[in-house]
Amino acid sequence: AQSVTQPDIHITVSEGASLELRCNYSYGATPYLFWYVQSPGQGLQLLLKYFSGDTLVQGIKGFEAEFKRSQSSFNLRKPSVHWSDAAEYFCAVVLNTGTASKLTFGTGTRLQVTL
Amino acid sequence: EPEVTQTPSHQVTQMGQEVILRCVPISNHLYFYWYRQILGQKVEFLVSFYNNEISEKSEIFDDQFSVERPDGSNFTLKIRSTKLEDSAMYFCASSELGTVFFGPGTRLTVL
Repeated sequence: AQSVTQPDIHITVSEGASLELRCNYSYGATPYLFWYVQSPGQGLQLLLKYFSGDTLVQGIKGFEAEFKRSQSSFNLRKPSVHWSDAAEYFCAVVLNTGTASKLTFGTGTRLQVTL
Repeated sequence: EPEVTQTPSHQVTQMGQEVILRCVPISNHLYFYWYRQILGQKVEFLVSFYNNEISEKSEIFDDQFSVERPDGSNFTLKIRSTKLEDSAMYFCASSELGTVFFGPGTRLTVL
């Protein structure tokens, strides 16, 4: 079965420090890959996505993610974290069947930013 | 920028009552979804909808749940007889070319 693992439940970084959030998926083929961010009490905002091609994808708010097929990973990175980045981050995957996009989410990583 | 909208933002209901959660997907999207997130847990797929019928549903989406597209813009989720465990944030979403866009959610509280 398709699954997504985010091994870090909670991460704390200092403002200005770099950030890497881990995501691994378990699936035979390469799925579509996404990162969403959820601020407290808010909905899910798409940060970036990977479908094919260049394995380093750029997203909004200065985030990027790198797809590594050999490691079945799609880690999210940001070179310098801002206090406003404190939120919950979800990795998600979907099998491209050409029909509906049923997303499977990871359990999320809560990011805390200290000043 | 077009976005998915949902109403109400918060719904409180008594156990056993029916609730209808409403959504307006992005206008040119063809696939619509409902997901839910129980407090502190991950986001779970409930159902997908295409061409006026359900295309896929999860085991969570039992006979108490139904979806409808009553007109050209709205997409609704009905829970016929709510249970305490239905308390969650319900997200509507729509997709285009594989990218799913979510609404802000409706927080459902069942007392």
